[in-house]
Amino acid sequence: ILMTQSPSSQPASVGDRVIITCRASHNIGDYLNWYQHKAGKAPKLLIYSASILQSGVPSRFSGSGSGTDFTLTISSLQPEDLATYYCQHSYTFPFTFGPGTKVDLK
Amino acid sequence: EVQLVQSGAEVKKSGESLKISCQVSGYSFSTYWIAWVRQMPGKGLEWMGSIYPYDSDSRYSPSFQGEVTISADMSVNTAYLQWTSLKASDSGIYYCVRQADTVKEFDYWGQGTQVTVSS
Repeated sequence: ILMTQSPSSQPASVGDRVIITCRASHNIGDYLNWYQHKAGKAPKLLIYSASILQSGVPSRFSGSGSGTDFTLTISSLQPEDLATYYCQHSYTFPFTFGPGTKVDLK
Repeated sequence: EVQLVQSGAEVKKSGESLKISCQVSGYSFSTYWIAWVRQMPGKGLEWMGSIYPYDSDSRYSPSFQGEVTISADMSVNTAYLQWTSLKASDSGIYYCVRQADTVKEFDYWGQGTQVTVSS
């Protein structure tokens, strides 16, 4: 199962609404997870099962979708949200990550 | 508190062997899958493989099958990733991760182990 993401880079300003899309090459139901990765740190789980917010993650993050098309939304970008975001399927082995979307300042 | 603590940075030469470790605490090691994830310099995340410590059932990405071996020792709550003959292209950061039960999402991550291989 191949995962694609768009855009690859998303320049944005603080307060902007940011939307990242992820597409799977096959139907994966809701076995879709989103991670945030900042340089020099371990990645962090944001959303699992397509739309469930991991404990402790701010509510400005949300996820939607099922089947092959998914979306991660940041409702109001904060400075600490500047990072690279990855989708990943966990439908069946082998698991695969998307190529990543880098969110930086416009 | 769930913790995954990885071994320290390694600097090796091509052709050498290496085994890095990931010691877990705060949960039942034997009944959760543990995955290994690579990040090469300037690149994205790649799932390498996973192991279920209870019975050592292991699954590998086709990209890493035959290149690395994942193992686990329940007596010391530790998972391992090993190479028999390193290449310069194995340089990168390696993370161990716990796979949760819900949809096998990667919920707890180790701090990462930097591996540098010179040719």
